[in-house]
Formats: sequence, C-alpha cells, structure tokens
Amino acid sequence: EADIYQTPRYLVIGTGKKITLECSQTMGHDKMYWYQQDPGMELHLIHYSYGVNSTEKGDLSSESTVSRIRTEHFPLTLESARPSHTSQYLCASSELSTGDGANVLTFGAGSRLTVL
Amino acid sequence: GQNIDQPTEMTATEGAIVQINCTYQTSGFNGLFWYQQHAGEAPTFLSYNVLDGLEEKGRFSSFLSRSKGYSYLLLKELQMKDSASYLCAVKDSNYQLIWGAGTKLIIKP
Repeated sequence: EADIYQTPRYLVIGTGKKITLECSQTMGHDKMYWYQQDPGMELHLIHYSYGVNSTEKGDLSSESTVSRIRTEHFPLTLESARPSHTSQYLCASSELSTGDGANVLTFGAGSRLTVL
Repeated sequence: GQNIDQPTEMTATEGAIVQINCTYQTSGFNGLFWYQQHAGEAPTFLSYNVLDGLEEKGRFSSFLSRSKGYSYLLLKELQMKDSASYLCAVKDSNYQLIWGAGTKLIIKP
C-alpha cells in the first residue's frame, strides 16, 4: 500500500542533542516537504525537495538541514536541539507538477518533538 | 503580506449542515485546497478549486469566488467523525502553498 512514514512519532530529548527525523514514501513522488505545525497555528514550510539531490529552504527560518539521496527518503536533522524546536513536524510528498494543477499533498502522521 | 483567514472554532449538531469560510489575500492565485486533520493525525485532502463555482463530493462541497478572495467548505449530514480541524490553503503565484490556521469543528450529538 502506497504511504508515507515518519519515525519517531514522539521524541523527548535534552537541549544540545542531535536528532534526525525520518521520512519515507512509497508512492514514487518527486516532491517532498517538511512542515512545522504548532497547535492552532498554520503549517509553516521548513524545507522541500524537487527530487534527488535537490533541497530548498522554505519560508520559516530553521536551524535544521535535510538531504535527498534517494527519491523515497527525506530525513530532517537538527544538529543541536533547543526548547524552541519543540513542535510537531509533518513530512509530505506530492507529484511534481507545474501550473495550476492540483498536486495534492500526502502527509505522514507527524513527529512530535519535545526538547527539555 | 499574504494572509488566509478562517474561524478558529465552530460548533454544530450531528445531522445538521455547517459552512466553514476561508478568505485569502495572496500574491497571485493558482488554486485553493481544503484538508481535514483529525487530532494527532495527518492532514488528508478533501477538495481543490481553481475555477469559480461549486465542487461537490458526497457530503462535502467546496465553493470558490476568485474575485472576492473567498471560499467555503460545506459539510452536510454531519457525523461525529467529522469532528476535526479543516485547513484552507492557497497556491500563490510562485506555486507555494499558503496555509490558514485551520478551523476546529466540534460536532455535538
């Protein structure tokens, strides 16, 4: 079954730790995204990728980095976590389309990060 | 700046009809999306409008007026499982999605 998977679902870590949030999709989508979502707030785009070896920064300033070595895998890394990084992180993917086509996003279930 | 406005919270009764409004001010317009997000779960796609008018999909319908920068999502025959947040998002002139903060819909028996 085509899907998008995120691990871990929940993570509590101490300040200064390095963490990687994993995201994998089995739909063969070219475009992948990382969003940050806080309760009652809009989704903010942190990073996105058009395909292998492509990474772009989104509209939200972030101290995280991403890589896209394989089409299906788009991990997000925080080199040194801080309490301000506490949030829900959503990974998504879509087909690569241009214009006004409805390139629908498929989201993972999210990774809830708490930094103490 | 770019802005999308939705009511923060709405309450409706099981079996009734509810309309969730979304107004937007964006640099360009290349389509409007509605997503549903249950608490603690991933957002899932509901509807897409790029031309003016009504798109119907079962119990859910979505309307768009580009001249007014306005859309609504209409939910009929409400069920308890419709309790969720409903997210409005607009694709701007750079084909980037601008998201509203979502409307939390509470369904009461």
